[in-house]
Amino acid sequence: AQSVSQHNHHVILSEAASLELGCNYSYGGTVNLFWYVQYPGQHLQLLLKYFSGDPLVKGIKGFEAEFIKSKFSFNLRKPSVQWSDTAEYFCAVNAPGTGGFKTIFGAGTRLFVKA
Amino acid sequence: DTEVTQTPKHLVMGMTNKKSLKCEQHMGHRAMYWYKQKAKKPPELMFVYSYEKLSINESVPSRFSPECPNSSLLNLHLHALQPEDSALYLCASSQGTENSNQPQHFGDGTRLSIL
Repeated sequence: AQSVSQHNHHVILSEAASLELGCNYSYGGTVNLFWYVQYPGQHLQLLLKYFSGDPLVKGIKGFEAEFIKSKFSFNLRKPSVQWSDTAEYFCAVNAPGTGGFKTIFGAGTRLFVKA
Repeated sequence: DTEVTQTPKHLVMGMTNKKSLKCEQHMGHRAMYWYKQKAKKPPELMFVYSYEKLSINESVPSRFSPECPNSSLLNLHLHALQPEDSALYLCASSQGTENSNQPQHFGDGTRLSIL
């Protein structure tokens, strides 16, 4: 069965520190990968996505992620975090199933940025 | 603000009550989803509707009954729920389920408490 693993469940950083959140997936076919973010009290929203082409994708708010096929990884990065980046981050993959594609989420990483 | 509207935002009900959660989107999306999210956990898929037909049911107990009256509306009818059903219920939509490259748009959720 397809699965998504996020290595860090809780991350605490100071402002201006660099961020890298790990994500590995198990699906062996053509993948479409996503990072979603859930700010405190807000709805889940798309941060960035990878379908094909350049494996380095850029998203909103200065985030980027690199797809490394050989490592089944899609790690999220940001060079310099801000207090407003405090949120929960979910890596996800769209995988085929009976009835169409469905989204499988990782367990999430809770990021806290100290001001 | 999200383009997927969920009502009510909060719901408290007893185990013998019958209530409904509602979800609406006007983006022309043909796929709509119900997820259940417990605290500090990722969203768990419950149901998927594609072109107003139920395409995925993730073995959800029959005390949860989904309904898709038209392409913009999605309901979740609740009856005889258990305390462990207390959670945040998220609605989402996407352009479709035929392709794997479609991100989902999430509502703010309904926080449900079962007494």
